[in-house]
Amino acid sequence: EIVLTQSPATLSLSPGERATLSCRASQSVRNYLTWYQQKPGQTPRLLIYDTSNRATGIPARFSGSGSGTDFTLTISSLEPEDFAVYYCQQRSHWLTFGGGTKVEIK
Amino acid sequence: QVQLQESGPGLVKPSETLSLTCTVSGGSISSCCYYWGWIRQPPGKGLEWIGSLFYSGTTYSNPSLKSRVTISVDTSKDQFSLKLSSVTAADTAMYYCARSIADDYNFNYWGQGILVTVSS
Repeated sequence: EIVLTQSPATLSLSPGERATLSCRASQSVRNYLTWYQQKPGQTPRLLIYDTSNRATGIPARFSGSGSGTDFTLTISSLEPEDFAVYYCQQRSHWLTFGGGTKVEIK
Repeated sequence: QVQLQESGPGLVKPSETLSLTCTVSGGSISSCCYYWGWIRQPPGKGLEWIGSLFYSGTTYSNPSLKSRVTISVDTSKDQFSLKLSSVTAADTAMYYCARSIADDYNFNYWGQGILVTVSS
């Protein structure tokens, strides 16, 4: 099983700041890395797929990068609606999710 | 716009079988070339993939759950189902069904989820 480790567990930032979230895989997942956003009481929302492709309707302030085992989700300037939990997911070998990073208001 | 809706009992006794159905509307479950999946989330915790159904009917399960998971499809009703046997309290979770954006495992359509509690 490929284990995804997300860091930090919690990120405390202010609106307008840049958020950088990390996802590290226990072995290469090639570029098959996906990011979801989940707000309390809501279903996960697909943000980025295959490392760097924004899903339909996702604002340009969200971007993804990386390859192999190290991946990053960047939110260039946090909007109030961006405070949420973010999960990474790989589909290189079956499907596994990371433990999540909570982006909270500082 | 594709919509998914989970249904089934919200309470299951330990050692019994959890049975859920996902009903799809706004699209056919047989349409090429999507994956349909079951994902769960224990209260306050992260996401876990349970298994998937490819539009062709092929099913896949998480190896850690495989011996307990059965996924089936009823194309006439645009429904797919999950059975999870021998449940314990550790199986208490919100259960989601979802559809991928293409022939991949990137899920962009999700049901609202159904909370299943395992308790006597």
